[in-house]
Amino acid sequence: SQQGEEDPQALSIQEGENATMNCSYKTSINNLQWYRQNSGRGLVHLILIRSNEREKHSGRLRVTLDTSKKSSSLLITASRAADTASYFCATPLEYGNKLVFGAGTILRVKS
Amino acid sequence: EPEVTQTPSHQVTQMGQEVILRCVPISNHLYFYWYRQILGQKVEFLVSFYNNEISEKSEIFDDQFSVERPDGSNFTLKIRSTKLEDSAMYFCATNRDRENEQYFGPGTRLTVT
Repeated sequence: SQQGEEDPQALSIQEGENATMNCSYKTSINNLQWYRQNSGRGLVHLILIRSNEREKHSGRLRVTLDTSKKSSSLLITASRAADTASYFCATPLEYGNKLVFGAGTILRVKS
Repeated sequence: EPEVTQTPSHQVTQMGQEVILRCVPISNHLYFYWYRQILGQKVEFLVSFYNNEISEKSEIFDDQFSVERPDGSNFTLKIRSTKLEDSAMYFCATNRDRENEQYFGPGTRLTVT
């Protein structure tokens, strides 16, 4: 399977609820990055967590990293309709810094 | 806040034609990348560029593709003879150094007919 795979593939929640997305990867990493993409638009960088960090917060975002399980999670608290987008995790491969993206989680927040 | 910009936002071209996609990186960034995303698929790495040369390229980046930084500002991706399967969103990305996040431009939607 691929480096950087997210689950679930799709998530539909009500406004105000929390959304959790997970990402698994295969190789050793220096950091893991989460991006958001609104339909047909560019990729917006959300947060970077380094391999020596376990948790990081940015506003309503909370990211965890478990290097022993090679997994990360992105939690969006108190979701809003504007959070509707695709969310991707991406990892730079150890021997280079090209990013390898997963297939993404499509999040729909219903108002 | 500084942004990566890309032009054009949408390019329609006929098969076999050459296209040049342009990117203006964030000014103090040293590493530049091109990625593409075919509709409904993953974002795929094409090429990375540092110190005026290609540092890494993917299998997708064949002889039909080239990159350059002609004037020290713009970073361009050229496709010499476009194919139907080159239709995709092309994203430029840059970062200050290898250890930090990459910032993406808004993309150029390339449609090859």
